[in-house]
Amino acid sequence: KAGVTQTPRYLIKTRGQQVTLSCSPISGHRSVSWYQQTPGQGLQFLFEYFSETQRNKGNFPGRFSGRQFSNSRSEMNVSTLELGDSALYLCASSLGEGASTDTQYFGPGTRLTVL
Amino acid sequence: GNSVTQMEGPVTLSEEAFLTINCTYTATGYPSLFWYVQYPGEGLQLLLKATKADDKGSNKGFEATYRKETTSFHLEKGSVQVSDSAVYFCALRTGRRALTFGSGTRLQVQP
Repeated sequence: KAGVTQTPRYLIKTRGQQVTLSCSPISGHRSVSWYQQTPGQGLQFLFEYFSETQRNKGNFPGRFSGRQFSNSRSEMNVSTLELGDSALYLCASSLGEGASTDTQYFGPGTRLTVL
Repeated sequence: GNSVTQMEGPVTLSEEAFLTINCTYTATGYPSLFWYVQYPGEGLQLLLKATKADDKGSNKGFEATYRKETTSFHLEKGSVQVSDSAVYFCALRTGRRALTFGSGTRLQVQP
């Protein structure tokens, strides 16, 4: 079974631009979560989508948004990029059973650099 | 709220040494516990998990036991290899909440 895939793997943008990241979950998984990883803040939760609906949301500004399509693929968008948005963005998929035992599997991440 | 505390790194060991990485947690509700590993330039890989008290998760020689009485989930391996060099993250999940991660512990294994 193919794992979680994320595209692109690397991105370089300038301040003020916007960016869209893509995530394809493991086949059969209906939940997709996004995390931001930085050296200073560690791993922080952005949001989770299940059946095309945002089910959970972290504490990030409205510049960060996402969506999920009917095939469970998800996109994340960041508008008006700031230098502090430079990070590794990780996508994770799970069955979406809504229980603590629902294991999340991560993709390789997208490395975003904002200049 | 939920939180995870891991020992500070880096942890530097010689090949074939015994490894322990401490992890303690606080949680509202009854969590499931996870260890993830991140190799340089890659995403997170699930290493092992435990979903109830006294469960032992194991994989690739690594083990961790869910200790409810001490709210701990320490990672151990009897004999580390150079290829085990990576960053290890302890994490928990309660209900439908997102994973809560520790700060990560970097392991360096020297030949």
